[in-house]
Amino acid sequence: GDSVTQMEGPVTLSEEAFLTINCTYTATGYPSLFWYVQYPGEGLQLLLKATKADDKGSNKGFEATYRKETTSFHLEKGSVQVSDSAVYFCALSLYNAGNMLTFGGGTRLMVKP
Amino acid sequence: DTAVSQTPKYLVTQMGNDKSIKCEQNLGHDTMYWYKQDSKKFLKIMFSYNNKELIINETVPNRFSPKSPDKAHLNLHINSLELGDSAVYFCASSHSPSNSPLHFGNGTRLTVT
Repeated sequence: GDSVTQMEGPVTLSEEAFLTINCTYTATGYPSLFWYVQYPGEGLQLLLKATKADDKGSNKGFEATYRKETTSFHLEKGSVQVSDSAVYFCALSLYNAGNMLTFGGGTRLMVKP
Repeated sequence: DTAVSQTPKYLVTQMGNDKSIKCEQNLGHDTMYWYKQDSKKFLKIMFSYNNKELIINETVPNRFSPKSPDKAHLNLHINSLELGDSAVYFCASSHSPSNSPLHFGNGTRLTVT
């Protein structure tokens, strides 16, 4: 079945450090790929998305490139801030699955001043 | 003017009881969802519903049932609650195409004692 695997956390970084959160997927078809972020006590918010191979999604300094050859969608940010501390979820959706998102297990990011 | 709102925010109840969680969206979306997030932050789709089709995750017990009085509402009814039902339940909505982002509510934390 369709699945998403992302690196386990927590990931602890100092402010202004470089961030990478790995995400790989398995899908029967051509999925759209997403990163969602969950701040404490809140629901998930869309961070960025990519809908086809080689697309790059970007938002708030975060980037991820849809790599079909490696079935990956790694999240990166050049300089993290304390306010980026949250749980990050990689996800995919397929048209023939009714737009239901399949999520990875989430990666908690903690950024220290 | 919250886009996706769910009530209650917290729900504490005893085993065997029946309870409902309400969800409303004011985004004009035609598809709504329920997700379950366990204590390890893992998210699982429970239902996807629009005015044409209900898609049920086959692993969801039939004690759980979605009820949609209209396009803007999708309530979750749970019969005979069990300890393992304790989790955070998220409602979400989107437009129909598979690359449309989901908008999530802030979640309902259900505790079954």
